[in-house]
Amino acid sequence: NAGVMQNPRHLVRRRGQEARLRCSPMKGHSHVYWYRQLPEEGLKFMVYLQKENIIDESGMPKERFSAEFPKEGPSILRIQQVVRGDSAAYFCASSPGASGIDTQYFGPGTRLTVL
Amino acid sequence: DAKTTQPPSMDCAEGRAANLPCNHSTISGNEYVYWYRQIHSQGPQYIIHGLKNNETNEMASLIITEDRKSSTLILPHATLRDTAVYYCIVRPINTGTASKLTFGTGTRLQVTL
Repeated sequence: NAGVMQNPRHLVRRRGQEARLRCSPMKGHSHVYWYRQLPEEGLKFMVYLQKENIIDESGMPKERFSAEFPKEGPSILRIQQVVRGDSAAYFCASSPGASGIDTQYFGPGTRLTVL
Repeated sequence: DAKTTQPPSMDCAEGRAANLPCNHSTISGNEYVYWYRQIHSQGPQYIIHGLKNNETNEMASLIITEDRKSSTLILPHATLRDTAVYYCIVRPINTGTASKLTFGTGTRLQVTL
């Protein structure tokens, strides 16, 4: 029973390039969440998606960041024109539903380094 | 979500029980208490959650006070691998679109020989 999968685990980009982070939720889970952890800081919510829909993007930076969760395939967090301040660990979580009893399970994260 | 307060750090000797407190004095009747931990820079790991009653699973026990204003996570026999940051989070039963988890600063547990 595979857990939440994220790839790549490490990603290095130069300033101005694009970063694409992928998240495959646990089997049977249709709710996906993205969180970011800046160096020496806590985990911050970014966006919550269900299949083909963005439900809550209140934590997403207004520019350069986008997320999708298509009907088929993994969820993608896309960062355009990366800057050094985007260097962080990005974690994806999934859950079977959205209520308080639906536990979110996290993936191992993608560590983005912007040179 | 209700605010939680945790001590910033704790130490525990290996083999002893680790008791991690959490204050959530503004919790409402329809909010769960969740515990996660983050070992070094790994993804947060779910530990346990509860509403009113005490809960136990293979990882830990959760003791919630009768007034629900505080709780304690108990790791019965701490090992070096339990060294991590532990987060206590309260979460509404009916989240609607507000399904996100709000992480505080947590408690950094150091298990020593």
